Amino acid sequence: NAGVTQTPKFQVLKTGQSMTLQCAQDMNHNSMYWYRQDPGMGLRLIYYSASEGTTDKGEVPNGYNVSRLNKREFSLRLESAAPSQTSVYFCASSEGLYSNQPQHFGDGTRLSIL
Amino acid sequence: AQSVTQLGSHVSVSEGALVLLRCNYSSSVPPYLFWYVQYPNQGLQLLLKYTSAATLVKGINGFEAEFKKSETSFHLTKPSAHMSDAAEYFCAVRRDDKIIFGKGTRLHILP
Repeated sequence: NAGVTQTPKFQVLKTGQSMTLQCAQDMNHNSMYWYRQDPGMGLRLIYYSASEGTTDKGEVPNGYNVSRLNKREFSLRLESAAPSQTSVYFCASSEGLYSNQPQHFGDGTRLSIL
Repeated sequence: AQSVTQLGSHVSVSEGALVLLRCNYSSSVPPYLFWYVQYPNQGLQLLLKYTSAATLVKGINGFEAEFKKSETSFHLTKPSAHMSDAAEYFCAVRRDDKIIFGKGTRLHILP
């Protein structure tokens, strides 16, 4: 019963490098989300996808792009990494945007930008 | 706009003592409210949710929360703390098509 799977779990990048964080869910959920978590800041929404084929900006989208590849997969791309993007990134999914059902989270990707 | 405020970024209680983590929300309509727990190096897990069916909501691991509209609060409690409860706890509210999280309260359990 995997739930939400994120890869990689850890990554170190140099400033200016690019990378893609992968996320897949096996719960047949319609909506998926990317958050970043920084000390004392809680979780901040980067991008979300209401359903396959749609994406929308969240609270802190600058410097990121996303792709909803299919219903299961939602990737987050850093085109030119900056030290300010050092953070823990979480992917989540839920049945729908307006549902009272909760979000289910992956275990996170810990990203350091040098 | 809906938001949540968690009072106290760190709370320490002795093992066996009452746990009380505070959450206040701002909302003009009855909200959907959630409590999540995050253990070290893990993602967030749902503890419980309020969806207007009952004001006292029971969750996993012996936690419960009471919705008080007059106080716009949704505080999390557990009668007797256990060492395994040490974690970070997040209150969250649904706002339109998003869930807004509080900044979290780290719970420390003293032996």
